[in-house]
Amino acid sequence: GENVEQHPSTLSVQEGDSAVIKCTYSDSASNYFPWYKQELGKRPQLIIDIRSNVGEKKDQRIAVTLNKTAKHFSLHITETQPEDSAVYFCAAIHPNFGNEKLTFGTGTRLTIIP
Amino acid sequence: DGGITQSPKYLFRKEGQNVTLSCEQNLNHDAMYWYRQDPGQGLRLIYYSQIVNDFQKGDIAEGYSVSREKKESFPLTVTSAQKNPTAFYLCASSLRLATSYEQYFGPGTRLTVT
Repeated sequence: GENVEQHPSTLSVQEGDSAVIKCTYSDSASNYFPWYKQELGKRPQLIIDIRSNVGEKKDQRIAVTLNKTAKHFSLHITETQPEDSAVYFCAAIHPNFGNEKLTFGTGTRLTIIP
Repeated sequence: DGGITQSPKYLFRKEGQNVTLSCEQNLNHDAMYWYRQDPGQGLRLIYYSQIVNDFQKGDIAEGYSVSREKKESFPLTVTSAQKNPTAFYLCASSLRLATSYEQYFGPGTRLTVT
């Protein structure tokens, strides 16, 4: 089955600086890679996703890049703000109609230092 | 925050007792999932269901059981066979479409077994 590794497990950055979280996956057939943000005491929510036919996707201060050859994808947050402090999870899905399931990374706790 | 609900928010049980966690959604989603969240281990899939009256084991199904008698409901029973049941449990749902894999999470149930 799919295995997703996520690094680092914790990350502290100064407000205004950039943050990068990296994930690798094992199944070359995986074709959808979402990122979820979980604020303290709240449920995870999708913040951005990318499909395997795209190399990069941006949404304001957030971007995700995908390298299919190396089987890794990264989340980039620019101009970080205090509200970016949260736990971030990457995930991957192997297409299998009728049996799709997400495999999550172990999470990165991002702390923005004012 | 509407759409997918879990109850109760906190649950306390004595060791040896079975306990059932509720998950209901009104998003008309076909697929529903149960995850367990432990510190430093991300989200691990317990069971998932793509359609009514059908479900599959996830990565850590031992000691758990589910049913899917209605599209809106996917209750999880934590049995006495689960060796370490104390955890935060998250339910999620999604459309069963190749164009949309986004999962919507409930607020979670924190189970404590003593």
